[in-house]
Amino acid sequence: NAGVTQTPKFQVLKTGQSMTLQCAQDMNHEYMSWYRQDPGMGLRLIHYSVGAGITDQGEVPNGYNVSRSTTEDFPLRLLSAAPSQTSVYFCASSYDLNQPQHFGDGTRLSIL
Amino acid sequence: EDQVTQSPEALRLQEGESSSLNCSYTVSGLRGLFWYRQDPGKGPEFLFTLYSAGEEKEKERLKATLTKKESFLHITAPKPEDSATYLCAVHGSYNTDKLIFGTGTRLQVFP
Repeated sequence: NAGVTQTPKFQVLKTGQSMTLQCAQDMNHEYMSWYRQDPGMGLRLIHYSVGAGITDQGEVPNGYNVSRSTTEDFPLRLLSAAPSQTSVYFCASSYDLNQPQHFGDGTRLSIL
Repeated sequence: EDQVTQSPEALRLQEGESSSLNCSYTVSGLRGLFWYRQDPGKGPEFLFTLYSAGEEKEKERLKATLTKKESFLHITAPKPEDSATYLCAVHGSYNTDKLIFGTGTRLQVFP
């Protein structure tokens, strides 16, 4: 049972490049979410999904895109990377929000 | 607007020196309050869920309590391996699809 798997663990991009952060879970969880974590700001919700085919915006969605074609996978796309998107990104999943969320170990992203 | 405030931002304790971390919240209809532990370079790890005022939960040296306005994470006789950042999050009736996280308390326990 792998839990929540995020890839890559580290990535360096140049301004304007695009990339996809991968997130997969093997617990058959309906709810999945993406957060970014910055010093002094805590975890901020980017996008979330309550089930396959359903996504919605969180607190800081600008510059990011998501899709949920399967229950297992919830990729996060950076459309045109900007230095302000330098952060640590966490993916999480749970059956619903009344249950604890399971987090991946994060992707550390630097944008030059 | 739902809000979560954690204090202190950082706490240094001697091994064996008990203390408490605070999580104050403002939410329309609390559905659940969650405590997580986060080690450097790792994702948050679930500790406790509290659903109603007066509820308490314990795990080893940790005990979480809940009132209508705040939650405390009590650490009894801490050890160096308890050093981590502790995060609090709330799920309310207004933002039913989102958790609101506090900024965390960074705990360091010295031998």
